[in-house]
Amino acid sequence: DAGVTQSPTHLIKTRGQQVTLRCSPKSGHDTVSWYQQALGQGPQFIFQYYEEEERQRGNFPDRFSGHQFPNYSSELNVNALLLGDSALYLCASSLQWNTEAFFGQGTRLTVV
Amino acid sequence: QQQVKQSPQSLIVQKGGIPIINCAYENTAFDYFPWYQQFPGKGPALLIAIRPDVSEKKEGRFTISFNKSAKQFSLHIMDSQPGDSATYFCAAVGNFNKFYFGSGTKLNVKP
Repeated sequence: DAGVTQSPTHLIKTRGQQVTLRCSPKSGHDTVSWYQQALGQGPQFIFQYYEEEERQRGNFPDRFSGHQFPNYSSELNVNALLLGDSALYLCASSLQWNTEAFFGQGTRLTVV
Repeated sequence: QQQVKQSPQSLIVQKGGIPIINCAYENTAFDYFPWYQQFPGKGPALLIAIRPDVSEKKEGRFTISFNKSAKQFSLHIMDSQPGDSATYFCAAVGNFNKFYFGSGTKLNVKP
């Protein structure tokens, strides 16, 4: 079991650009959540996908959007990147209604 | 508005000591309280978790103490080792598995 995998592991983008991050959930998991972790902070909830729909959203602007595919994998898209978007982006997978969540290793995004 | 408050921000103990990390929450709708361990450059790894119907849970050297009336919970690491040096996050989970994390505690266990 490969666990939760994220790609790429590191990414450098220029302010104003757009970025897409990818996540493959743990085998058998159907729910994917995305988190932003700024340096020295705890992860902050961005949104959650279940059955290819956004089920919940945290306090993030519309520049942050996502998608879930029929195989449960997910993408996080961020448009019009700001310097403040530099962070570790974490994907967590779980089973619907099961609170045990497993995190990937994250994608380190640097906006310059 | 921070849903989960964690303290201390950092902690230094000698090998064999018992570091204690504390968390407090406000929302009584939370019904699952996990602790995660994170090493630099890695994602958080689930360590141990508790539900509010029990006051204590032990798994190996890790113990969670839970005080429902005070809305507080804590992590104790018995016989701490240098390999336990990491950042620890508490979390509280509400509806639809939405996790609210504390700000983290950086633990340094000295040999």
